[in-house]
Amino acid sequence: EVQLVQSGGGLVQPGGSLRLSCVASGFTFSSYWMHWVRQAPGKGLVWVARVNTDGSGTNYPDSVKGRITISRDNAKNTLYLQMNSLRAEDTAVYYCARDSGSYGIDYWGQGTLVSVSS
Amino acid sequence: DIVMTQTPLSLSVTPGQPASISCKSSRSLLHSDGKTYLDWFLQKPGQSPQLLIYEVSRRFSGVPDRFSASGSGTDFTLKISRVEAEDVGVYYCMQGVHLPWTFGQGTKVEIK
Repeated sequence: EVQLVQSGGGLVQPGGSLRLSCVASGFTFSSYWMHWVRQAPGKGLVWVARVNTDGSGTNYPDSVKGRITISRDNAKNTLYLQMNSLRAEDTAVYYCARDSGSYGIDYWGQGTLVSVSS
Repeated sequence: DIVMTQTPLSLSVTPGQPASISCKSSRSLLHSDGKTYLDWFLQKPGQSPQLLIYEVSRRFSGVPDRFSASGSGTDFTLKISRVEAEDVGVYYCMQGVHLPWTFGQGTKVEIK
């Protein structure tokens, strides 16, 4: 069974940093591209990052480029999202998600809440 | 960025009746590989999104056949032939052709 278990959310002050983790199981993690998608309270889904299988290639929307870094450790079956210079508008539930290649994004983590507030 | 526009934004449906959601993109979603990467997700209340449809019209594993989808280029539609109580939630279309990937605003489906 494919599982994506997230951790690392919480309350952080504006300008602060936070790292989210997503531990994968039930599939060969190193064979799949991975994504992060976020959802502000009461709002829709917004794609925020993508990483290729070995971590050498990443993509971001302009809204987070330079502040957010996606990475992975295939030996630990873990995906990361490093968030720096956090702003109130970064407050959201962050989801990690698997990219099957064939089906696009097919499995999602349970989500983790990041709250940016003083 | 590609803008994905869904209509309607909300839908109230009697159980057993059909429902239809439209999704229009600001640019063609036909990839150079010949495929069209338009997906549909359902986010049930309090849950993570789940994949329903990929590549315009292909049902993901385990998705009931009352869900169907069609479209091409910039215009896409998701249909539920007979809505059931378990279908409530917010439906999102998403394009995976042009970076950054973008989602529609979501269509909230509720039961009358």
